[in-house]
Parts: sequence; C-alpha cells; structure tokens
Amino acid sequence: DAGITQSPRHKVTETGTPVTLRCHQTENHRYMYWYRQDPGHGLRLIHYSYGVKDTDKGEVSDGYSVSRSKTEDFLLTLESATSSQTSVYFCAISESGGFGQFFGPGTRLTVL
Amino acid sequence: SQQGEEDPQALSIQEGENATMNCSYKTSINNLQWYRQNSGRGLVHLILIRSNEREKHSGRLRVTLDTSKKSSSLLITASRAADTASYFCATPNYGGSQGNLIFGKGTKLSVKP
Repeated sequence: DAGITQSPRHKVTETGTPVTLRCHQTENHRYMYWYRQDPGHGLRLIHYSYGVKDTDKGEVSDGYSVSRSKTEDFLLTLESATSSQTSVYFCAISESGGFGQFFGPGTRLTVL
Repeated sequence: SQQGEEDPQALSIQEGENATMNCSYKTSINNLQWYRQNSGRGLVHLILIRSNEREKHSGRLRVTLDTSKKSSSLLITASRAADTASYFCATPNYGGSQGNLIFGKGTKLSVKP
C-alpha cells in the first residue's frame, strides 16, 4: 500500500472520550489527507496537509483537529468523540497534490 | 460539494462480459481519475486522464473523457471475478486549495463467475 500505514486499525470507544488516529508514510510525500467513508456519502475530506505544520480544513472538519509535526506523520484527533463520528477513516498521501493519491488500509472507529 | 457522480450505482455482470461505468461532473477540470476499492480496503488509483486527452488505456481498462459533456466512462473488458469492487471517479477541487480531490459515491461492480 505505497508505504502508508494507519493505526489503530480498529477502535471502539465511548462518547465523550478523546481519540487519536495516526497515519504514517515512508514515501516522503508532501501531501497527506484524512477522509471518512460512510454509506450513502462516499468519501469525504476531513482535513489535509500540504507540508509540515501546514494544514487546512476539508468538507467535514467540525469535531476534528489534525497535526503534522513531521513529514511522515499526520495525526487526526477527535477531541470528544460522538456517535456520529462512527465511520471508517482513510489516510491518503500524494506527491503532487491532485494527481493521484495513495490510500492507507483504513481505521474502523466505533463510538458507543 | 459533489463534483463527480457515478452511474450506475450498482452493476452486476457475468465473468467475461464488459463493464461500463460513467462519471459526470459539474465544473471544468484539468484531469479526472478513477479509483478502485475492494471490500474492506483502501482506494487504489487506477488511471488519470488529462483534459486534453480523449481516451486512455491501461491493460483491460479504457477510460474516455468528453469535456464538452463533462463526463467520463470507465470500461473494463473481459471482466473477472477479481474485478468485483467499488469504482470511484475523482476530480480536482478548485474551490479548495493544494490539490484536493472530490470523490463520487461510486459504482459497486459485482462480477459473477
């Protein structure tokens, strides 16, 4: 999967708890993305990064924050998880933004 | 906002048949991409076609782009059971910055042996 891993792969948590998902790449790509995938909605962009410490919001950013302190790591944090954040989360990387993205294996998050 | 929309939402064919999926989009683009997603896995980039190209081939895949109609099609020839997956088109999001893509909701292809 193009040198991109996500951790954890599965997580069950309770409403109100903080959750951090990690995306790690070994490709040295500049762009990194967090998506969520839900039935009926397809793939929606949460946040993205275009360099170390450079991040911006996507389509569904409310309730999520991100950080990128190193090229290889992009963290997605749910400060206080809600049931509506139950989803499958995908990280993606791209060398040249908009020209082909490589996806990680996904994290299945369940918020009870 | 939705940019690309795939059609049909679901397609079921027999092994050996051809599968055609369509994607329509709303604004002018400089490229369009197709991705495949096997059940429980991440998306895999299949092919990118630029706005100045009308057709592109990659193995059993053929992609066409009609910028006047703002539409693209993905043809999989001589389909195999292993082609069973969801297929997504993606277009650049010019409303955002830094090379974001907007994905459609996908066509779920089922190839029966």
